[in-house]
Amino acid sequence: DAGVTQSPTHLIKTRGQQVTLRCSPKSGHDTVSWYQQALGQGPQFIFQYYEEEERQRGNFPDRFSGHQFPNYSSELNVNALLLGDSALYLCASSLIAGTGEAFFGQGTRLTVV
Amino acid sequence: AQSVTQLDSQVPVFEEAPVELRCNYSSSVSVYLFWYVQYPNQGLQLLLKYLSGSTLVKGINGFEAEFNKSQTSFHLRKPSVHISDTAEYFCAVSAFKGSQGNLIFGKGTKLSVKP
Repeated sequence: DAGVTQSPTHLIKTRGQQVTLRCSPKSGHDTVSWYQQALGQGPQFIFQYYEEEERQRGNFPDRFSGHQFPNYSSELNVNALLLGDSALYLCASSLIAGTGEAFFGQGTRLTVV
Repeated sequence: AQSVTQLDSQVPVFEEAPVELRCNYSSSVSVYLFWYVQYPNQGLQLLLKYLSGSTLVKGINGFEAEFNKSQTSFHLRKPSVHISDTAEYFCAVSAFKGSQGNLIFGKGTKLSVKP
């Protein structure tokens, strides 16, 4: 079992650009959630996808959008990047019928310059 | 809505000493409780979870936590720490219903184990 895999591991983008991050969930999991972890902070919930639809959303602007594919993998898109978007982006997979227990990937470190 | 407060941002401790990392939560509904560990430049690994039943839960690497409903706490303990336990620890909650699957995290506690 490969667990949750994310790509790329590191990314440097220029302010105003757009970025796409990718995530493959743990085998058997049907739900993918994305979190943003700024330096020195705990992860903050961005949104959750289940059955290819956004099921829940945290307090993040519309510049943050996502997608879930039929194989349960997911993408996180961020448009019009700001310097403040620099963070570790974590993908977590779980079961919709579960208890909230989530398995996390290694994350994508995004730096906006 | 739920919130999590980790009372100590940093905890220094000597190797083989006991440690307690404190976590308090606030919620208007019943919640599940979790502790995650994050090693440098890595993602989060689940240490332990409280779903129901016994209030004392045991996790990996010798850690345990006790759920106290009246004090809305879920403190993490280990009787004897090792250098390899140096990491950042996050307490998190998930609501039973509605926001199920949406984890609310505390700001983390950095555990530094010294020889």
